[in-house]
Formats: sequence, structure tokens, C-alpha cells
Amino acid sequence: AQSVAQPEDQVNVAEGNPLTVKCTYSVSGNPYLFWYVQYPNRGLQFLLKYITGDNLVKGSYGFEAEFNKSQTSFHLKKPSALVSDSALYFCAVRFYFNKFYFGSGTKLNVKP
Amino acid sequence: DTAVSQTPKYLVTQMGNDKSIKCEQNLGHDTMYWYKQDSKKFLKIMFSYNNKELIINETVPNRFSPKSPDKAHLNLHINSLELGDSAVYFCASSQEVGGSYNSPLHFGNGTRLTVT
Repeated sequence: AQSVAQPEDQVNVAEGNPLTVKCTYSVSGNPYLFWYVQYPNRGLQFLLKYITGDNLVKGSYGFEAEFNKSQTSFHLKKPSALVSDSALYFCAVRFYFNKFYFGSGTKLNVKP
Repeated sequence: DTAVSQTPKYLVTQMGNDKSIKCEQNLGHDTMYWYKQDSKKFLKIMFSYNNKELIINETVPNRFSPKSPDKAHLNLHINSLELGDSAVYFCASSQEVGGSYNSPLHFGNGTRLTVT
């Protein structure tokens, strides 16, 4: 069965420190992988995607993600966290027409 | 210049009523979606339309009926509302060029439906 897992409900990090939000997937074939961010009372905003090629993908707001095929992971990273990065982050996988499967979300708390 | 807009933003109604949520996108995309986000923030696809044709119809009660009058609009009508329908409903759109399946979704800001 196709699935996306975000093993951490919440990640806490101090401002200025690097952050990682984890995502693993289970799909057949080659997946397309995405990260989205959701601020309170807002819709999801697209951050970045992996289609093919370089395993390190750069996206909006200084975020990047590392695709690891052998570990079936697509972790979101940022070298230096900001308080304004505090939000809910969703990993998503898409493997055929129109179907996005979203992870359960990870709440990122960045403390000053 | 909002890309994907939904109305209303909040909807409070009683059980048994019928209500509609409207969605419009000005991105020129050919595919639109309805997603439901429950109280635990879990997102589940409900419907998807490509060029006004229904492509995805997940296991959603038939009280929910989507309608796409044109590529830029996708409305959701809900009959006989139940307490369990309370959630945030998101409209989204994407441009599916050549069936590449790698286009991101663009979301509206959601409609918070509360059924009392």
C-alpha cells in the first residue's frame, strides 16, 4: 500500500539551530515527493519537490530536502531556524494521476 | 490577486441543513480538488476534476456533491449535514501538463465548517 509517514508529531528547535523534519514513504515505482507548510488558519503552501536528479532539493524560504532512495526518506532541512518558521509541515507523495497522499503533519516549534 | 479563493471562510450550521462552498482559481490551472482536513489535521482527498471531468471520487458519502461549471470553478454542495462533517475543507488546483504528475497543488485558505 502507498503511504507517507511523518514519525514526529512535533519538533522543537532553538532559533539559529539547524532543523530537520522527517518523512518516509512507501510506494511502488518512482515517487514524486513534496513538502508543504501550513500556518494557522491558512491553506498549505508549496515549499519544494523532488522529481528526479540531484538528491538535495532547494526550495522556498531557505528550506531544502534530501531524497534518500535506499532509506525511502525525504527529510526537510534548514541550516538556521527562524521563529517565523514555526508552523505545521506536511510531506506528500504523488505517484499517479491526481493523487497526493499527505503525511500526518509535524508541528515545528522554533523558540527564541 | 488571490490565486485560489474559497467562500465562505467560516460556515456554522445545524444538522440536517444543506450548504455549499464555492471555489475559484485564477491560475489558469486545468485540475481542481477538494480536500478535507479533520481536527487532527489529517488531509484526505475527496474529489478531483480535470477540465470539468470528475477524475477522483474517493469514498465520500453521496451527500457530498461536487460541481465544476468550468475549469476555474469547483463547488461543493453538502446535503443533510451531520456532526461528523465538521472540518476544514480546502480547495486546491494544479496544472497537469502532458500527464507528468509532478505539478504541486495550490491551496485556498480553507472553509471551516461547524455543524451543531
